[in-house]
Amino acid sequence: GENVEQHPSTLSVQEGDSAVIKCTYSDSASNYFPWYKQELGKGPQLIIDIRSNVGEKKDQRIAVTLNKTAKHFSLHITETQPEDSAVYFCAAHTGNQFYFGTGTSLTVIP
Amino acid sequence: DSGVTQTPKHLITATGQRVTLRCSPRSGDLSVYWYQQSLDQGLQFLIHYYNGEERAKGNILERFSAQQFPDLHSELNLSSLELGDSALYFCASSVAVSPRSNYGYTFGSGTRLTVV
Repeated sequence: GENVEQHPSTLSVQEGDSAVIKCTYSDSASNYFPWYKQELGKGPQLIIDIRSNVGEKKDQRIAVTLNKTAKHFSLHITETQPEDSAVYFCAAHTGNQFYFGTGTSLTVIP
Repeated sequence: DSGVTQTPKHLITATGQRVTLRCSPRSGDLSVYWYQQSLDQGLQFLIHYYNGEERAKGNILERFSAQQFPDLHSELNLSSLELGDSALYFCASSVAVSPRSNYGYTFGSGTRLTVV
């Protein structure tokens, strides 16, 4: 089956700096890659996604890049704000399932 | 509020017991997915129902079972509970039958199960 690895597990940045979270996947058949943000006491919320026929997608301060050849995709958050502090999960879809990374706890220091 | 309702929010029970977790999907959504989130393993897909029928199974133990009722709510039954079953259990719902489309794939706020 698919194996999704996510790094780093924890990340601290100063407010206003950029944050980058990276994921790798193993199954070349994976074709859809969403990113979720999970705040304390809440369920994961979709923040951005990318399909395998696209290399980059941007939504305001958030962007995702995908390198199909290397089987990795990354989440980029620019101009970080304290409210960006949360756990972020990447996922890959293949075989009728989503496979999730183990999460990155992002702390934005004011 | 995501529109996906999970009850109860917290549950504490003893080893060997059986519990039932409930999920009501967003209005209009036909698919319900169950996930287990533990500290060391992230989100693990358990099972998917669409309009009352089981569509896909993930790493769901034989001690666990689920069903989706005609009103589309779903229940996850966990039996012969072990300490290692302590985790957050999430359900998600979507309009689509296939999880390939993330259109409307929305998580509930979860049930925290503690087995003592």
